[in-house]
Amino acid sequence: GAVVSQHPSRVICKSGTSVKIECRSLDFQATTMFWYRQFPKKSLMLMATSNEGSKATYEQGVEKDKFLINHASLTLSTLTVTSAHPEDSSFYICSASRERLYEQYFGPGTRLTVT
Amino acid sequence: KQEVTQIPAALSVPEGENLVLNCSFTDSAIYNLQWFRQDPGKGLTSLLLIQSSQREQTSGRLNASLDKSSGRSTLYIAASQPGDSATYLCAVNNQGGKLIFGQGTELSVKP
Repeated sequence: GAVVSQHPSRVICKSGTSVKIECRSLDFQATTMFWYRQFPKKSLMLMATSNEGSKATYEQGVEKDKFLINHASLTLSTLTVTSAHPEDSSFYICSASRERLYEQYFGPGTRLTVT
Repeated sequence: KQEVTQIPAALSVPEGENLVLNCSFTDSAIYNLQWFRQDPGKGLTSLLLIQSSQREQTSGRLNASLDKSSGRSTLYIAASQPGDSATYLCAVNNQGGKLIFGQGTELSVKP
């Protein structure tokens, strides 16, 4: 149990376009989902925390208008990178938990390349 | 502000050796601590989770310890194998529910 999927696994987009990444909990209901960003050879940086049915809480320095997060159901959260630029190229990983303080289960990640 | 540090940044050992990875954190008010494994270009695999009230957890050849008062955790890997080669990350779950990650230890086990 506790499987989290992400789609797509890889995406290449042109500068100025928007791209949506989906995170799904396949076999449990996730009241809380987290979005992380990872640069090459670096650790994971938390971008935002989203609770089902409410607005996401963004970490300091993360632009909420650029990284739109929606958590419309207990099994799905989406991250939309709007007006993407090459510096947005990164590995984006989501995680999901049954409750905010419980163990987080991680998705396989999405490699975004903006050309 | 919670900071998590992992030492060493990289480690290379011959197959069969026992090894210890270290993780330290600055704020002892944590809810739990997790150790993860990450293969290149992949997501995270949870290895062990230690609640703040626990001292250690074991799974197969892995043993993780937690000393909250000193802000330290160790991951012990017994009889290492080439398949153990990966980056190992520790993360503390602050009482706000956020995971704060260390920079990771890149482990290479040579056959």
